[in-house]
Amino acid sequence: AQSVTQPDIHITVSEGASLELRCNYSYGATPYLFWYVQSPGQGLQLLLKYFSGDTLVQGIKGFEAEFKRSQSSFNLRKPSVHWSDAAEYFCAVGEGLTGGGNKLTFGTGTQLKVEL
Amino acid sequence: EPEVTQTPSHQVTQMGQEVILRCVPISNHLYFYWYRQILGQKVEFLVSFYNNEISEKSEIFDDQFSVERPDGSNFTLKIRSTKLEDSAMYFCASSESQTKNIQYFGAGTRLSVL
Repeated sequence: AQSVTQPDIHITVSEGASLELRCNYSYGATPYLFWYVQSPGQGLQLLLKYFSGDTLVQGIKGFEAEFKRSQSSFNLRKPSVHWSDAAEYFCAVGEGLTGGGNKLTFGTGTQLKVEL
Repeated sequence: EPEVTQTPSHQVTQMGQEVILRCVPISNHLYFYWYRQILGQKVEFLVSFYNNEISEKSEIFDDQFSVERPDGSNFTLKIRSTKLEDSAMYFCASSESQTKNIQYFGAGTRLSVL
C-alpha cells in the first residue's frame, strides 16, 4: 500500500528565508506526486505535480519540488518565503494508471509559520 | 477559473440523523471523490466514483455511507445515521481523466455531530 511521510509537523521560517518541506513516499511503481496547500478555513489548493519527465517541477506561487527516486522523496522548496505562505502543506501520492479511481494518499501535513 | 463547489460550508446535526453533503464538480470532469479530515489528522480517502458507479472505496466507507450523482451536475455524500466520530471536514474533489489524475478540491463541509 502506498504511504506518505512528512517528518516535520511544524516549521517556522523568517520572511525572506528559504524553505524546504520534506516528503517521503512509499509506492511500488512510479508514483504521481502532488503538493497541496491549505490555508485556514480553505480547501486544498494544488501547488504542483509530478507525473514523469523532468524531476524538477515548478508550481504556483514560486514553489518548486524535486523528485528523487533513489531517496523516495519529493521535497518542496521556495527560495524566499512570503508572510502569505503561512499555511499547512500536504504531500500526496497517487496511483499510476492502474484502473479504478486513483485515490490520493496524503501525508500528515506540515504547518508553516512565517515570522515577520 | 472553474472550481469545485461544496454546500453547506458547515453542517450541524444530531447523532443518528441523516446528512447529505453536496458537491458540484468541475463541469467537464468525469471522476469524483470524497475525502475527509478529522481535526488534527491527515486527509483520508473515502470513495471514488466514475460512470455512475463506485470505483474504489476505503474501509471507512461502510454501509452508513453512500454516494450519488442525482443529475448532471451534483455529486452527493450521504451518511445515513451519523455518529460522533463522523465529525470531520469532508472534501469533494474531481478530476478530468484517469491518465492525468489531477484532483481539484472544494473548500469542504465541516460536519459537526452532537
